Amino acid sequence: GDSVTQMEGPVTLSEEAFLTINCTYTATGYPSLFWYVQYPGEGLQLLLKATKADDKGSNKGFEATYRKETTSFHLEKGSVQVSDSAVYFCALSDGQAGTALIFGKGTTLSVSS
Amino acid sequence: DAGVIQSPRHEVTEMGQEVTLRCKPISGHNSLFWYRQTMMRGLELLIYFNNNVPIDDSGMPEDRFSAKMPNASFSTLKIQPSEPRDSAVYFCASSRGLATNNEQFFGPGTRLTVL
Repeated sequence: GDSVTQMEGPVTLSEEAFLTINCTYTATGYPSLFWYVQYPGEGLQLLLKATKADDKGSNKGFEATYRKETTSFHLEKGSVQVSDSAVYFCALSDGQAGTALIFGKGTTLSVSS
Repeated sequence: DAGVIQSPRHEVTEMGQEVTLRCKPISGHNSLFWYRQTMMRGLELLIYFNNNVPIDDSGMPEDRFSAKMPNASFSTLKIQPSEPRDSAVYFCASSRGLATNNEQFFGPGTRLTVL
C-alpha cells in the first residue's frame, strides 16, 4: 500500500542553519504531496503542497520539490529560526482514496539561538 | 473564521468509562476526518465522512470505537469502554471535499488520558 517515510529525528540546529528533512513515498498512482507542521500544543497546519511531478511548493521560506523519479519530497529552508521549532509531517494523498492523507511519522526540529 | 473546534481539549477518565469527543468542522466543509496521535504509532486516520456519510472506517481500532456525523456541523467519536491504551491526542480535521489536493484543516486536538 501507499506509504511515506521520513528521516528520523530529532533534528537539532542552530539559528540560521540550513535545514533538510528527507521524505520519500510509495504510491501506485499520482499522489499529491504535502508538508504539515505541528507547533507545540496545536493541531497540524498545512505548510506547503505540490500536486504533480516537478512542482515546487513553498511557504514561509520553506520549499519542497515533487521528484517523481526519486519518489521524494524533501523539505528545505535556507536559514532556520527558533520559531521554526516544531514537528514536521510529510504526507501524501492518493487520488484513488480521496483525501485520506497518509502521514509519515513526523520529524521534530529544534532550533536554538 | 473559527476554524475546526474540538471539545473537550483535555479529558481524564478511568478505564471502563465511556468517552465522547466532539468536533465542529469549518462551515462549508463537507469532509470530516478523525485522527489519533501517539508516540508509538504516530498519526493514524481512524475514519472519515463525506456529506455526513462514513466513507472509510477501516482505521477504527476496535468495536469499542464509534463515530457519527448527524449533521454537517457536528461529529462525535465515542469510546466505550475506554482502556489505558486509548490514551492519545485525537484530532478532527475538515476539508472542502475529497479532491486529492484539498487542504485539510485540523482542530487543536483532544488529549485523552485513560487511567
